[in-house]
Amino acid sequence: GESVGLHLPTLSVQEGDNSIINCAYSNSASDYFIWYKQESGKGPQFIIDIRSNMDKRQGQRVTVLLNKTVKHLSLQIAATQPGDSAVYFCAENPGSGGYNKLIFGAGTRLAVHP
Amino acid sequence: GAGVSQSPRYKVAKRGQDVALRCDPISGHVSLFWYQQALGQGPEFLTYFQNEAQLDKSGLPSDRFFAERPEGSVSTLKIQRTQQEDSAVYLCASSSKTGTWDTEAFFGQGTRLTVV
Repeated sequence: GESVGLHLPTLSVQEGDNSIINCAYSNSASDYFIWYKQESGKGPQFIIDIRSNMDKRQGQRVTVLLNKTVKHLSLQIAATQPGDSAVYFCAENPGSGGYNKLIFGAGTRLAVHP
Repeated sequence: GAGVSQSPRYKVAKRGQDVALRCDPISGHVSLFWYQQALGQGPEFLTYFQNEAQLDKSGLPSDRFFAERPEGSVSTLKIQRTQQEDSAVYLCASSSKTGTWDTEAFFGQGTRLTVV
C-alpha cells in the first residue's frame, strides 16, 4: 500500500517504553486541538482532543498536554505497543464557526521496536 | 456501514481528464468535510458542508475543483481538467453536532488520485 509520511521526523521507541510526540501550533486563537493517528493506507483516526480551557487531558494510555504560552502540544503514550506504530498528527481548530476546519501539523512517524 | 466510506479507493487519471470522487458520511452526520493530503504531509482543508449547504470553500485550490452535497448526505468532489499537482489522497470526514459545535471528525480511508 501507499506510504504516509515518507520523509517525516521519526521517533523510535522500544516496546513497553513511554513515547512523547511534540507539536507546535500556529494560531494563538485556536481553541480546540486534536491528535490523530494515521496508519499507512488509512484515514486519520481520532485519538484524543483538548480544549483551550484545559492544560491536560487523559485517555486510555494517552495523555495530551497543552501549553498555550508557547503554543505547544504534546501526546504521551504509555507502554507503547507495536500497534501504535503510525504517523501522528496534531491538528488545531482556529475557527469560530463551530465546525472542524482543522489545520494539521506536519506529522511524526512513531516506530515501535520489539 | 458504520464509518465514512469513500470511492473509488484508487483513481488514475490522464492529465486533462475530469474525475469525480464520492463520499458517504456516517448516517445522520450534519457536517461533511473534504481534505487533500499530499504525500508526506498533513491533510489540508478544502471545503465544508452543513447538510446540503456549502458554507466554506476557502480551501479549494482553483475553480477546477467543485464539491456538492445535494441532499445533505452523499457528497461528490469533482476535479476538472486534472493536473499533475492534483495527485494526492482526498479525504472525506463527517461530524455530528452538539448545539452549534461539531463533535469529533471521523475520516474515511481516502481516494488516492494519481494524474499521469
